[in-house]
This record gives sequence, C-alpha cells and structure tokens, in this order.
Amino acid sequence: DQQVKQNSPSLSVQEGRISILNCDYTNSMFDYFLWYKKYPAEGPTFLISISSIKDKNEDGRFTVFLNKSAKHLSLHIVPSQPGDSAVYFCAASARVYTNAGKSTFGDGTTLTVKP
Amino acid sequence: DAGVIQSPRHEVTEMGQEVTLRCKPISGHNSLFWYRQTMMRGLELLIYFNNNVPIDDSGMPEDRFSAKMPNASFSTLKIQPSEPRDSAVYFCASNHRRLSGNTIYFGEGSWLTVV
Repeated sequence: DQQVKQNSPSLSVQEGRISILNCDYTNSMFDYFLWYKKYPAEGPTFLISISSIKDKNEDGRFTVFLNKSAKHLSLHIVPSQPGDSAVYFCAASARVYTNAGKSTFGDGTTLTVKP
Repeated sequence: DAGVIQSPRHEVTEMGQEVTLRCKPISGHNSLFWYRQTMMRGLELLIYFNNNVPIDDSGMPEDRFSAKMPNASFSTLKIQPSEPRDSAVYFCASNHRRLSGNTIYFGEGSWLTVV
C-alpha cells in the first residue's frame, strides 16, 4: 500500500503561469511534509516543508498548502520559470520516528515549464 | 561546503560480480541514509545509521545487500552477488539528527547497471 501518492506523473505549464503539484497521503501518523526537487543526473534537493500545525507555508515563489482533513497537500509555484522544470517529490514523515530520513516518498511529478 | 559525495557515479558490472558503493556524508552530520530509486518502486529507503550504528535496515531487499559505516565520514553499500534487477540509482543522504530538522541532504547518486 503506497502511503504517499502523487497521482500526476507529469505536468506541463507555460512560463509565468502557476504550477500546482498535488500529493495525497494515507497514514494519519504523518505530521511533517516536505517537497524535494530533482534535476536529471543529480540528487534530490530540499525545497520547502510544512508541519501539520500549519496549513500554509510560503518561501518566495513556492507555497505549500496542507489540508489535514483531506490528507492532501499541494505545492504552488508562482510564477513558473523554465528553470523550475524538474521532478518534484512529495515526502511525509511522523515526528515519532527517530529521524526524518524515514520519510516516505511519492513517485514524483515531472514538471515542464515551457518558455 | 562540500555536499554528500558518492562514488562511483556510474558503474556497469556483470551479473554475479560484487558491487561496492561509497559515500562520504556532510561533515558534522550524524545520520546517514541509503536510498534506491527505480522506475517500479520509486525512491525507497534501504537502511540508515545514527552515529555510525545501523538503526533500521528493514528496507534492505535481500541478504545480498549489506551496508557498513566504519566511521562518521564513510559508508559503503555492498551487493554480492549482483543481479540485473539491482540496476538502479543508489542515493546516499545525510543530516544532523537534531540540527537539520526534517531535512536530509542527498548526494548525486550512483548509477548502477548490472548486465
């Protein structure tokens, strides 16, 4: 059973428009969520995170929204830029774990931003 | 600052051969993780160490896989004997259990092909 799901394998948007990447989770123990970005031939890099005590976290062009009742989070990128083209991974963890490295990852969504 | 350093970046080996992947975590980090990324299973945690001690190896697929961390600055992931289904990208990641929060820092990955 996949506990973190990114149902859209790919997303294509026009430069300057909003990109919305979605993620659903099933484990109610998860209380911390992260987004990672991955370029080809590189390792994932941390992008933004959100704790379950919040429903929104913003960092520049990136905003993550959390809907705990729906067990759903989304990453908004506004405005989208061609350099944002990458694979985006959603990850979830429970603070009860000894280390967030036990985060469960989704399969990723490939974002393509067209000039 | 140097990030997580992995070697080799690419390896092609014949079925039945031993494969050793190496990782140098970020200096000062006390937790180290080995992940594997495949098309079928996405990004999955194989094993992680805290203070050089293996904490959770439940993700290690088979006895053919073993990992060691002889000191705080070096870890190996060994596959013996290797099989074609082991072909994947293997990521090493590290963080400081207390100071990094829930963020982990990935290396660029070791691309393994077993023929």
